[in-house]
Amino acid sequence: DTEVTQTPKHLVMGMTNKKSLKCEQHMGHRAMYWYKQKAKKPPELMFVYSYEKLSINESVPSRFSPECPNSSLLNLHLHALQPEDSALYLCASSQAWRGGNQPQHFGDGTRLSIL
Amino acid sequence: AQKITQTQPGMFVQEKEAVTLDCTYDTSDQSYGLFWYKQPSSGEMIFLIYQGSYDEQNATEGRYSLNFQKARKSANLVISASQLGDSAMYFCAMREGGGTSYGKLTFGQGTILTVHP
Repeated sequence: DTEVTQTPKHLVMGMTNKKSLKCEQHMGHRAMYWYKQKAKKPPELMFVYSYEKLSINESVPSRFSPECPNSSLLNLHLHALQPEDSALYLCASSQAWRGGNQPQHFGDGTRLSIL
Repeated sequence: AQKITQTQPGMFVQEKEAVTLDCTYDTSDQSYGLFWYKQPSSGEMIFLIYQGSYDEQNATEGRYSLNFQKARKSANLVISASQLGDSAMYFCAMREGGGTSYGKLTFGQGTILTVHP
């Protein structure tokens, strides 16, 4: 079982809906990440939180709003999404954002479909 | 220019045989790390193995080993004694130690491995 837990596993929403993706880790990691992944493509980095502060925003549209309430939790709030936003959303964590040999540990992802 | 290149979109191997997945990288940093991840159809990215740029020995983790050739900038993954459960997408990734990409993981395009019984 993965040590990074993502909920829900699947989400179908309309373009006018508001929903949130949730990610939780209990490994004491201080860096958390959101990635977007299209089918048969590598993950694309969206956001990085380090010590609960937003460190990186890869020019993600404002309809995606990340939140890190504490060191174990990471949310991604979704509003007014477009069909092209349908993808697998992966959360990851690592001991530190720039720790050289520390791997990122990923969750199972949320498969998001926008109608 | 691509920083991580995986030239094999798909690979096939017979069960119990060994297979090598290719990865070449491009960086001007002296300090960097190379990672391999496995992604089954279920979606989870599973960390397999890590090689640091200063590591003199090739990394090994169980049936996985990394053939690190620094001068050629290659970091190939070798899977010994393939199992049906090894069928998945495999990504090579690099974390650079400086510059504008400092800390970020750059992924290759991936190789789909299919293990035949």
